[in-house]
Amino acid sequence: DTAVSQTPKYLVTQMGNDKSIKCEQNLGHDTMYWYKQDSKKFLKIMFSYNNKELIINETVPNRFSPKSPDKAHLNLHINSLELGDSAVYFCASSQVLRGGINNYGYTFGSGTRLTVV
Amino acid sequence: QKEVEQDPGPLSVPEGAIVSLNCTYSNSAFQYFMWYRQYSRKGPELLMYTYSSGNKEDGRFTAQVDKSSKYISLFIRDSQPSDSATYLCAMSEGDRGSTLGRLYFGRGTQLTVWP
Repeated sequence: DTAVSQTPKYLVTQMGNDKSIKCEQNLGHDTMYWYKQDSKKFLKIMFSYNNKELIINETVPNRFSPKSPDKAHLNLHINSLELGDSAVYFCASSQVLRGGINNYGYTFGSGTRLTVV
Repeated sequence: QKEVEQDPGPLSVPEGAIVSLNCTYSNSAFQYFMWYRQYSRKGPELLMYTYSSGNKEDGRFTAQVDKSSKYISLFIRDSQPSDSATYLCAMSEGDRGSTLGRLYFGRGTQLTVWP
């Protein structure tokens, strides 16, 4: 039973299209994240939600819009896709304890490999 | 983002070798230090977790943190071909509301252990 699942695993689309990536976690964690991993494997945070509330919103183009309908789900919608958006997008979750201390690290999904052509 | 520096390698060692992986950082507020392992086309998985300075051992893996030098290490003893992966260090400030749960990652070191 997958702890953090993302769909789709692969996404190939043309420039200018709009696409969504879905993420679900069954760990009961209260915080979820979107990270982007570039071709050199660098993981950069995009967004985080704690109990459906947006906490971190990095310098990301506003073509990217996250949505968290409940604390087990965090989706990412991307408008007007560009070539530079090609990357692997990882969803992750963690349990942030009272006081904001994150003791246990993240559980990552297996990633969505987005290719914009 | 230069807060966490990690040599990307690649690093290639024979089976049975001791592997040393390292990261340096600049933010003295980091309190939690982690190592993740990422196999090709998979998500990173948590390997080791340490709070503040000191050593932690788990089987063939030892994590060391030296906060005074802002330097962390991961040692792999008796390395196996199955250890071939990218190893990413990650750090967190802990109880800072504005960075709630945020991890800062190194670029990852690609390790190959050949039989």
